[in-house]
Amino acid sequence: SQTIHQWPATLVQPVGSPLSLECTVEGTSNPNLYWYRQAAGRGLQLLFYSVGIGQISSEVPQNLSASRPQDRQFILSSKKLLLSDSGFYLCAWSVSRTSGNTIYFGEGSWLTVV
Amino acid sequence: TQLLEQSPQFLSIQEGENLTVYCNSSSVFSSLQWYRQEPGEGPVLLVTVVTGGEVKKLKRLTFQFGDARKDSSLHITAAQPGDTGLYLCAGGGSQGNLIFGKGTKLSVKP
Repeated sequence: SQTIHQWPATLVQPVGSPLSLECTVEGTSNPNLYWYRQAAGRGLQLLFYSVGIGQISSEVPQNLSASRPQDRQFILSSKKLLLSDSGFYLCAWSVSRTSGNTIYFGEGSWLTVV
Repeated sequence: TQLLEQSPQFLSIQEGENLTVYCNSSSVFSSLQWYRQEPGEGPVLLVTVVTGGEVKKLKRLTFQFGDARKDSSLHITAAQPGDTGLYLCAGGGSQGNLIFGKGTKLSVKP
């Protein structure tokens, strides 16, 4: 069966510090991978998606970036965090990016920028 | 732009009561998914509906996809405290993406 893990689960970082959140998927090949952010009281905002190694699409311009160095690894990074980067970050995967395809989420990572 | 509106935003009920939450759009979706999310965790898929008019049951939960595939509802019978959580609907967008509603936050008090 397929599993998805992301870490760290909780992170408190000062403004201006770097960020690295990591996500791995097991049990499937060539998944589509996603990073979402969920701010308090708001819906899920798609940040990045990837259909293959080295292929990253950004949905929202910001000071975050994503990389996919391996087929089942997706990394969310920032060189300098802002207060507004605080939120709950979710990694997710799907079999393909066809219309309506179901996606499956990781456990989430709480980021607090202070 | 395809949007999904969920209502109500918040719902607080007593154990044993029934409830319905709604997911509406002016756009047609090829499919629609419902997720439940507990605080501090990722959303967990409950069901996917793909056919207009389709009804799916998952124990005390009944999901319906509208005939025109523009809306969906989730009905919970005899709610329990374990049903507490954020219920999210998500529809398959025209560009191959998944569009999420903002969710209904349900609290079931014992």
